[in-house]
Amino acid sequence: EAGVAQSPRYKIIEKRQSVAFWCNPISGHATLYWYQQILGQGPKLLIQFQNNGVVDDSQLPKDRFSAERLKGVDSTLKIQPAKLEDSAVYLCASSRWGNYNEQFFGPGTRLTVL
Amino acid sequence: SQQGEEDPQALSIQEGENATMNCSYKTSINNLQWYRQNSGRGLVHLILIRSNEREKHSGRLRVTLDTSKKSSSLLITASRAADTASYFCATEHLRGAQKLVFGQGTRLTINP
Repeated sequence: EAGVAQSPRYKIIEKRQSVAFWCNPISGHATLYWYQQILGQGPKLLIQFQNNGVVDDSQLPKDRFSAERLKGVDSTLKIQPAKLEDSAVYLCASSRWGNYNEQFFGPGTRLTVL
Repeated sequence: SQQGEEDPQALSIQEGENATMNCSYKTSINNLQWYRQNSGRGLVHLILIRSNEREKHSGRLRVTLDTSKKSSSLLITASRAADTASYFCATEHLRGAQKLVFGQGTRLTINP
């Protein structure tokens, strides 16, 4: 089966600009996650969707970050305006709904904010 | 905030040796998972151990879980250069709705 797809792979922007990332999960996976991974750290969950509903967005900086999952398939994550500290890799993952399910990760988008 | 803490932060061994990484966590869990991340790439799931399991094997991997000590270990036997990567433990809390909380990771380097 095809894996989780993400685009773009790399993005360089200046602070205060906006940026959007796209994710296409594995077909049939109801749950989709966006993580932020700062260099040298583990991934931090930003938002979790089940189908097109939000399960957890407690660590999403809602003043500048937004995410949507229209029709319960693809998802976009947006940052507006970007800050220097947003420089990180943004990972998308998906899984089947239910307990004891592994998450499948995409290759990530490396964002550099100058 | 991160749930797990991994130890050591970095580990360098010779090819063929065994590598052991440890993970400690703070609250009761549903399951614990280990992931590998090669430089510049996404994470790959290695193994999942449920809270009622004590040990699990997959190929050259052996995972143990001690819920009384809130700790887990990952053993990679007969290491290979291709095992060079960062390894992360991730915990799913009870009633965590599939939310995983990742540790800081162990950077493993296998020297030829």
